[in-house]
Amino acid sequence: EVQLLESGGGLVQPGGSLRLSCAASGFTFSSYGMSWVRQAPGKGLDWVSVISGSSGSTYYADSVKGRFIMSRDNSKKTLYLEMSGLRAEDTAIYYCARTSGPNGGYFDSWGLGTLVSVSS
Amino acid sequence: DIQMTQSPSTLSASVGDRVTITCRASQSISRWLAWYQQKPGKAPKLLIYDASSLESGVPSRFSGSGSGTEFTLTISSLHPEDFASYYCQQYHSYSPWTFGQGTKVEIK
Repeated sequence: EVQLLESGGGLVQPGGSLRLSCAASGFTFSSYGMSWVRQAPGKGLDWVSVISGSSGSTYYADSVKGRFIMSRDNSKKTLYLEMSGLRAEDTAIYYCARTSGPNGGYFDSWGLGTLVSVSS
Repeated sequence: DIQMTQSPSTLSASVGDRVTITCRASQSISRWLAWYQQKPGKAPKLLIYDASSLESGVPSRFSGSGSGTEFTLTISSLHPEDFASYYCQQYHSYSPWTFGQGTKVEIK
């Protein structure tokens, strides 16, 4: 069974930094692209970033480009999202999601999410 | 960026009703479209991919159709557990992948 478990969320001041992690199990982690998708309170889904399975190529939404860095450690089956320069509009639940293709596609498994709140 | 527009935003229906949700893309995305269901406080769940392929374990009352710019999600007979929000997502272009704004299916 595919399992994804996010951690690292919390309350941070504007301009601050946070590192999210996503621990994966139940599948060959290195074979899949992985994404972060976020959802602001009461709002819809918003794709944030994707990383390929093996090459580590990354793509980002314009709204986070230059501020967020996505990475992965295939030996630890863990995904990361380094967030800096955080803004109030980054407040959201952040989900990690397994992506159907090596570089993107649809999201066939999701974690439970971790809440990031940006406020002074 | 490809914009995805869902309609309606809210839908009131009764158990047993046939329900249809529409998703329109701002440009052709072939059949690169997925549908998700999300219940309050829960993560989204994949229902349909490639416009009409049913994800394993998803009840057959859910179906998807369409290609190009217009797509539909149909629930043939609404069950109590189907009251939720539904989102479409395009994955035609490499980046960015975009979602519709969502459709909330409420109890009439």
